Amino acid sequence: SQQGEEDPQALSIQEGENATMNCSYKTSINNLQWYRQNSGRGLVHLILIRSNEREKHSGRLRVTLDTSKKSSSLLITASRAADTASYFCATEGDKIIFGKGTRLHILP
Amino acid sequence: GAVVSQHPSRVICKSGTSVKIECRSLDFQATTMFWYRQFPKQSLMLMATSNEGSKATYEQGVEKDKFLINHASLTLSTLTVTSAHPEDSSFYICSARGLGGWAAYEQYFGPGTRLTVT
Repeated sequence: SQQGEEDPQALSIQEGENATMNCSYKTSINNLQWYRQNSGRGLVHLILIRSNEREKHSGRLRVTLDTSKKSSSLLITASRAADTASYFCATEGDKIIFGKGTRLHILP
Repeated sequence: GAVVSQHPSRVICKSGTSVKIECRSLDFQATTMFWYRQFPKQSLMLMATSNEGSKATYEQGVEKDKFLINHASLTLSTLTVTSAHPEDSSFYICSARGLGGWAAYEQYFGPGTRLTVT
């Protein structure tokens, strides 16, 4: 089963630009997490935002959470070639359910 | 920090054989472990939740007789793909939730096992 829907499904931007990915979900959650996955590799945990938080920062990452709209966004500022990867939101209730993901491609 | 390992990292097997994948929490005890499957260019799909000492709970559409899960200890869960077929080729990822202390309630993911069935 899948909880989250990310949009866009794919995103190509120039290096140095900001990348924004959105995630919507359906049921109530304890927290929401964002992960990165390089092609053929494992998951890298980026950031966790709890249901009572609205915004969180970590380096070039900014995550927002709107529980009334059941949505979250991930902003990557000043993108780099190394940011090219798939990004997944994952909601946690009694288990973690992943969204479909956004494939981000940073153009040199 | 929490470390979850999987073994093997890659496995190739012939159609009709069974394959066992291990998931271990190395520095914490995990009452609950989760198994996910990921097909190319797709997201992770939860297959089942296993609790130490009890039967696994499978998600809808996942055949429990084909994907046998054993969670015999607080640090080890195994997934056995029985009578594997080429359509079972996938990336299998486990995660473990800590029992208590610093690892409590958080899920930590293993590096994944790539299964190829020929």
